[in-house]
Amino acid sequence: DAGVTQSPTHLIKTRGQQVTLRCSPKSGHDTVSWYQQALGQGPQFIFQYYEEEERQRGNFPDRFSGHQFPNYSSELNVNALLLGDSALYLCASSVQGISYEQYFGPGTRLTVT
Amino acid sequence: DQQVKQNSPSLSVQEGRISILNCDYTNSMFDYFLWYKKYPAEGPTFLISISSIKDKNEDGRFTVFLNKSAKHLSLHIVPSQPGDSAVYFCAASGSDSWGKLQFGAGTQVVVTP
Repeated sequence: DAGVTQSPTHLIKTRGQQVTLRCSPKSGHDTVSWYQQALGQGPQFIFQYYEEEERQRGNFPDRFSGHQFPNYSSELNVNALLLGDSALYLCASSVQGISYEQYFGPGTRLTVT
Repeated sequence: DQQVKQNSPSLSVQEGRISILNCDYTNSMFDYFLWYKKYPAEGPTFLISISSIKDKNEDGRFTVFLNKSAKHLSLHIVPSQPGDSAVYFCAASGSDSWGKLQFGAGTQVVVTP
């Protein structure tokens, strides 16, 4: 039973560019949440997708957007990259309305130069 | 505003002894609390959780205690093992924001032989 998978593992982008990160949830899970973890900090909630809609959003600008597909996989898009967007981006999956526990993927390390 | 706080950035403990990790929160709407463990280059792994209707939950070597009046929870690991060396995150969620986990900054635990 595959857990949460994310791609790519590492990514280097230039300031002003756009990036797309991908996530496949754990089998049987229907909800995907995205988090940003800066160095030395805990993960910060970006947004959550369920039934292909954004259900909740954290305190992140509109440059951060996402999508969920019918197979429950998800993408995180970041436009007009800033140096401060350099971080580990974590995807977590869960079952809507059943349990608070979220299961995390290994993350994508984004470096903006 | 940081609604979940882990005030000890690091903890060193001898193998076989008890590790006690602390976490404080400010939002009275939180009703579910979780602990995650994170190794380098991996995503956070769910450890144990507790609902606000309980004051203790135990799973093997891990016990979480919740003091609602003090808005404080702690994680006890007994006995500590070298494989427990990792960063531990406290997280909280509420029924008013289901699925949005708010994390503390983490505590680095080092278990020495």
